[in-house]
Amino acid sequence: DAKTTQPTSMDCAEGRAANLPCNHSTISGNEYVYWYRQIHSQGPQYIIHGLKNNETNEMASLIITEDRKSSTLILPHATLRDTAVYYCIVRGIQGAQKLVFGQGTRLTINP
Amino acid sequence: NAGVMQNPRHLVRRRGQEARLRCSPMKGHSHVYWYRQLPEEGLKFMVYLQKENIIDESGMPKERFSAEFPKEGPSILRIQQVVRGDSAAYFCASSPRQGSTDTQYFGPGTRLTVL
Repeated sequence: DAKTTQPTSMDCAEGRAANLPCNHSTISGNEYVYWYRQIHSQGPQYIIHGLKNNETNEMASLIITEDRKSSTLILPHATLRDTAVYYCIVRGIQGAQKLVFGQGTRLTINP
Repeated sequence: NAGVMQNPRHLVRRRGQEARLRCSPMKGHSHVYWYRQLPEEGLKFMVYLQKENIIDESGMPKERFSAEFPKEGPSILRIQQVVRGDSAAYFCASSPRQGSTDTQYFGPGTRLTVL
């Protein structure tokens, strides 16, 4: 599975959009980009995933660049409850069974 | 639809005792995964099971750890003769099928403390 690089930490003001970047320059054509978050040592929570097209659900939007080497998770109106560690994971057919978590981005939403 | 359930949520054991952690997957899910998160570290894959089969145990420590997912009942992660280094949060996830498009949903975890 391709490796991902994320900033260690980010801050965002409550009510603003939080944009979390992820680099995955070695991603291959059949690998998906997944995002999870972990709020204060709770179980990881699935957010969204995509292959090449941008995706949106009730939680967030995922923007994947045309070359697929990077992506951005967007939380449109961040709240204090969005404070968490956010993990970007590339998942392919090989070893598709397991998720490989990096260090993630610690996002802090400030009032 | 209930999510992934794990019990107990907290478990305290003395060195040398056995720990049994249980995971009930989401309804309709037949694939279970166990992950471990040591204090101040990221989550690490341990084992992947389908009903009655261990598919991938590449992340399991070689000794004292075992896992099963019987035809009936929850998946069990068993740690024999626990040591202080086993203190961690253990998370279970489930998915309906295997594959890169099948989302894994996590339970709340079991926090094991070894005294």
